[in-house]
Amino acid sequence: GAVVSQHPSWVICKSGTSVKIECRSLDFQATTMFWYRQFPKQSLMLMATSNEGSKATYEQGVEKDKFLINHASLTLSTLTVTSAHPEDSSFYICSARGRLGNTEAFFGQGTRLTVV
Amino acid sequence: EDKVVQSPLSLVVHEGDTVTLNCSYEVTNFRSLLWYKQEKKAPTFLFMLTSSGIEKKSGRLSSILDKKELFSILNITATQTGDSAVYLCAAMNSGNTPLVFGKGTRLSVIA
Repeated sequence: GAVVSQHPSWVICKSGTSVKIECRSLDFQATTMFWYRQFPKQSLMLMATSNEGSKATYEQGVEKDKFLINHASLTLSTLTVTSAHPEDSSFYICSARGRLGNTEAFFGQGTRLTVV
Repeated sequence: EDKVVQSPLSLVVHEGDTVTLNCSYEVTNFRSLLWYKQEKKAPTFLFMLTSSGIEKKSGRLSSILDKKELFSILNITATQTGDSAVYLCAAMNSGNTPLVFGKGTRLSVIA
């Protein structure tokens, strides 16, 4: 099956710093990437949808200036958590879907962010 | 509003038992139903079901979709402790919009 690679798998950062998470589709062109966040023992919460070459669409309640999403190519999307605070500590997961939109959404391995 | 409902929310069984996890959906322009298994990390893909009544199998896991009644089940036979996980069900519509996830079923298999 298609592979989506997410990096880093875990990161610890200080409050106030920014963290960039990368999501790459390794063997297909991901026209759409989705970014989720997941708190312990809860389901996935969609943060934003990004289509290659256009601005991301954020879900209600997600601050677009805090969670910067860039999807500059068909194989790479990045999520930057700016001025991170301890409450941003969470598990962030990306998923990618191919050109026709009728393929499975494949998930990256996830990034566990801890802000201290 | 599109929604996916999974039941039960949690389940504890003994090794060797058979379990059935349920997923019902109400999604506009429904296309497919997906099942994922999530352990400590990101969800891993299990099945995608598009046609009604056709069972998909992978080892001890199987799943089937009923598009008339708008539900799917995931069966696990001869459960093992390694099957302990959260099982997520998600509905995909025909556009390129996000999957609609259920809250998941937390399965615990005890020896």
